[in-house]
Amino acid sequence: ETGVTQTPRHLVMGMTNKKSLKCEQHLGHNAMYWYKQSAKKPLELMFVYSLEERVENNSVPSRFSPECPNSSHLFLHLHTLQPEDSALYLCASSPRGDTEAFFGQGTRLTVV
Amino acid sequence: EDQVTQSPEALRLQEGESSSLNCSYTVSGLRGLFWYRQDPGKGPEFLFTLYSAGEEKEKERLKATLTKKESFLHITAPKPEDSATYLCAVFSNDYKLSFGAGTTVTVRA
Repeated sequence: ETGVTQTPRHLVMGMTNKKSLKCEQHLGHNAMYWYKQSAKKPLELMFVYSLEERVENNSVPSRFSPECPNSSHLFLHLHTLQPEDSALYLCASSPRGDTEAFFGQGTRLTVV
Repeated sequence: EDQVTQSPEALRLQEGESSSLNCSYTVSGLRGLFWYRQDPGKGPEFLFTLYSAGEEKEKERLKATLTKKESFLHITAPKPEDSATYLCAVFSNDYKLSFGAGTTVTVRA
């Protein structure tokens, strides 16, 4: 248990659906991240929030929309996804933006 | 552009057969190098942070070392429970975190 909790663990959604992924950390960290992990590929950084302010958006399609209402919670809102968006979505947090990150268990997303 | 390359892609070991994983990197100044372990269907688990060439860290059967261009993760006398994918990540001076594709280690009893 790393202190970073993601829900749901598994999600199957149609291409016309809207869903949200949730991440919660109670480690007192100031930075939170969304990563995408596809089979046989390196982790891809999607978004970074530092002190609740988005500091990085790695050219992610607008069908992915992050939200960070406070330093403990991070959401990823999904709409009109494509089958190629199927992947493991990982949330992480770190004390600062330049220290090791601690990951949640991920949400396995399948778009049908 | 920052690059992180891990080798080999896959490693099959007999229990007790020590080996090393390699992580070579090209970054615009290194702020830190991280090693993670990832089990199937789970998030990466943090193992080590290395900050400067010559630094070493150990945890049970694992030992990580760092030079100016690469890092090694040595697995001494591995056990089946050491089977996992090991990920390397580098944090550069322009605050970019880049991951390698990982090395999948399988230890047979």
